[in-house]
Amino acid sequence: AQSVTQPDIHITVSEGASLELRCNYSYGATPYLFWYVQSPGQGLQLLLKYFSGDTLVQGIKGFEAEFKRSQSSFNLRKPSVHWSDAAEYFCAVGLNRDDKIIFGKGTRLHILP
Amino acid sequence: GAVVSQHPSRVICKSGTSVKIECRSLDFQATTMFWYRQFPKQSLMLMATSNEGSKATYEQGVEKDKFLINHASLTLSTLTVTSAHPEDSSFYICSATGTASGNTIYFGEGSWLTVV
Repeated sequence: AQSVTQPDIHITVSEGASLELRCNYSYGATPYLFWYVQSPGQGLQLLLKYFSGDTLVQGIKGFEAEFKRSQSSFNLRKPSVHWSDAAEYFCAVGLNRDDKIIFGKGTRLHILP
Repeated sequence: GAVVSQHPSRVICKSGTSVKIECRSLDFQATTMFWYRQFPKQSLMLMATSNEGSKATYEQGVEKDKFLINHASLTLSTLTVTSAHPEDSSFYICSATGTASGNTIYFGEGSWLTVV
């Protein structure tokens, strides 16, 4: 069965600093990978997704993620964070592009002024 | 883009009663819908997968008689929490997909359930 590991429960960075959130997945075949963001008490917003092709994926709000098959990773990056980026970030994996999605436990991002 | 709407966004019910949460795809036909539960400060846990016109497939550990899922039409799925208890208080989120959505999964805004 597929699974997702987000090793960092909390991450704190200063506003303007770069960000990398880690995500490792376990799945036998080529995975469908997602990053979602959730603000407190709110629903989910899709930041980006990887289905195939270019392993560097560009998303909304200046985020990008790189799929590395050899490392089973799909880390999320942003060159310069803004205070509004403070939220919970979930990495997720799916069997297919329209099949059920399994979520990691999430990483809470805190931004220092 | 496609929109999935949930109703109600917040509901409070008394212990022992049943409460229904609706998930609607507003501008596409959702052949498949998924229901998730999220406890405070935790991740989303998949509860079940429902396909239009057939019985839902529940994940291991989810009580199908307690969490009744109906997907009677291509635009509506409902989750009914029966004989609710305080431990059922949670954030419930649905997602939907279909051919018209480009086989992309769209999430609803979620529904907060508080059982008192």
